[in-house]
Amino acid sequence: KQEVTQIPAALSVPEGENLVLNCSFTDSAIYNLQWFRQDPGKGLTSLLLIQSSQREQTSGRLNASLDKSSGRSTLYIAASQPGDSATYLCAVSDNSGNTPLVFGKGTRLSVIA
Amino acid sequence: NAGVTQTPKFRILKIGQSMTLQCTQDMNHNYMYWYRQDPGMGLKLIYYSVGAGITDKGEVPNGYNVSRSTTEDFPLRLELAAPSQTSVYFCASSYQGRQLGEQYFGPGTRLTVT
Repeated sequence: KQEVTQIPAALSVPEGENLVLNCSFTDSAIYNLQWFRQDPGKGLTSLLLIQSSQREQTSGRLNASLDKSSGRSTLYIAASQPGDSATYLCAVSDNSGNTPLVFGKGTRLSVIA
Repeated sequence: NAGVTQTPKFRILKIGQSMTLQCTQDMNHNYMYWYRQDPGMGLKLIYYSVGAGITDKGEVPNGYNVSRSTTEDFPLRLELAAPSQTSVYFCASSYQGRQLGEQYFGPGTRLTVT
C-alpha cells in the first residue's frame, strides 16, 4: 500500500529565505506526483504536477523535482514571502492509472516578515 | 468556468440524521472524488467515480453513499450521521486520459455531528 510522508510537519522561516519541502513515497511505481497548497479553512490549489517520465516542473518561484527510483520529491520555494504561508501537500497516483491520489499529511509553512 | 462547487459550506447535524453533500463541476471532467480531511491529517478518499453511472469505494467508504447520474454532479450521502463523521469534506475532479490529470478541488464542506 502506497504511503506518503512529508517532513517536516511544520516550518517557520524569515522572509526572503529559500526553502525546500520534502515528500517521500514508499512505492516508486507512481503515475504522477502533485503538489498542492492549502490556506486555512480553504480547499486545495494545485501548484505543480509532475508526470512519472519527468524530473522536474517549474512555476514562478516554485520548482518541484521528482526522483522516482529513490521515492522522493522536493518542492523548492525561492525568495519566500509572507503570502507563501500555507500548508503544502504532496500526493501521488499509482501505476495502475485508475487509482486516485494518496496524500501526505502536509507541511505547514510560516514565512515571517 | 466555476470549477468545482460544493454546497453547503457548513452544516451541523445531530447523531442519526442524514444529509447529502452536493458537488458539481463544469469542466467536463470524467473523474470525480470525495475526500475527507481530519485535523492534522492528510486527505482520505471516501468514494470516486470514473464516469457517469460508475462509482467505486476509496479508503474510508463506511457510512457514506454516492451516485453519479450525470458527468457534472457527484453527491455524497451520509446516512445515520455519527460523531466520527465530523470532518471537512472535499470534492475534486480531473480529466483522466491516457495519463492521470491534474485534480481540481472544491472549497469544502465543514460538517459537525453532535
